[in-house]
Amino acid sequence: NAGVTQTPKFQVLKTGQSMTLQCAQDMNHNSMYWYRQDPGMGLRLIYYSASEGTTDKGEVPNGYNVSRLNKREFSLRLESAAPSQTSVYFCASSEAWQKQYFGPGTRLTVT
Amino acid sequence: QQPVQSPQAVILREGEDAVINCSSSKALYSVHWYRQKHGEAPVFLMILLKGGEQKGHEKISASFNEKKQQSSLYLTASQLSYSGTYFCGTEAGYGNKLVFGAGTILRVKS
Repeated sequence: NAGVTQTPKFQVLKTGQSMTLQCAQDMNHNSMYWYRQDPGMGLRLIYYSASEGTTDKGEVPNGYNVSRLNKREFSLRLESAAPSQTSVYFCASSEAWQKQYFGPGTRLTVT
Repeated sequence: QQPVQSPQAVILREGEDAVINCSSSKALYSVHWYRQKHGEAPVFLMILLKGGEQKGHEKISASFNEKKQQSSLYLTASQLSYSGTYFCGTEAGYGNKLVFGAGTILRVKS
């Protein structure tokens, strides 16, 4: 029982490059979330998916797209990375807005 | 709107107590508390629903005053393992998005 897994753990991109962050959970949760964490700002919600087949914007969705591939997987795509997207990205899952289980995070640097 | 946490940081010696506050300008349905150790993912501590209930987790408990739109996290007889950043997350209504505060850094020294 791995919980929430994320790949990759670390990534360095050049401005303008694209990439996809992968997230998977094995707890059969309906809801999945993508957050970014910057120093002094806490966790900010980028996008979430309340159930398979639905996605909604969070507080800071600009520059990102998401796909809820199936109940287990929720990916986050940066189409054209910018230095302002340098951050630590966490994926989480839960039942509705109950206790959230977080993945280990992806440290992304955009130069 | 992001809830406001206070203090921003606190340093304790082992065995001392601490209180971390979380305030919102909006009416709240629930407050969530998480702890994050350096370089790790946030870990759930507890959820409080409106009604002023107090919940406990080991020597860590919390209260929720819905009239004042605030919650407090109480850490008693602190241990070295309590060190980390504590986040509150607030929910304005059932099924609403969770909005996290900026965090309170807690350091416990021996």
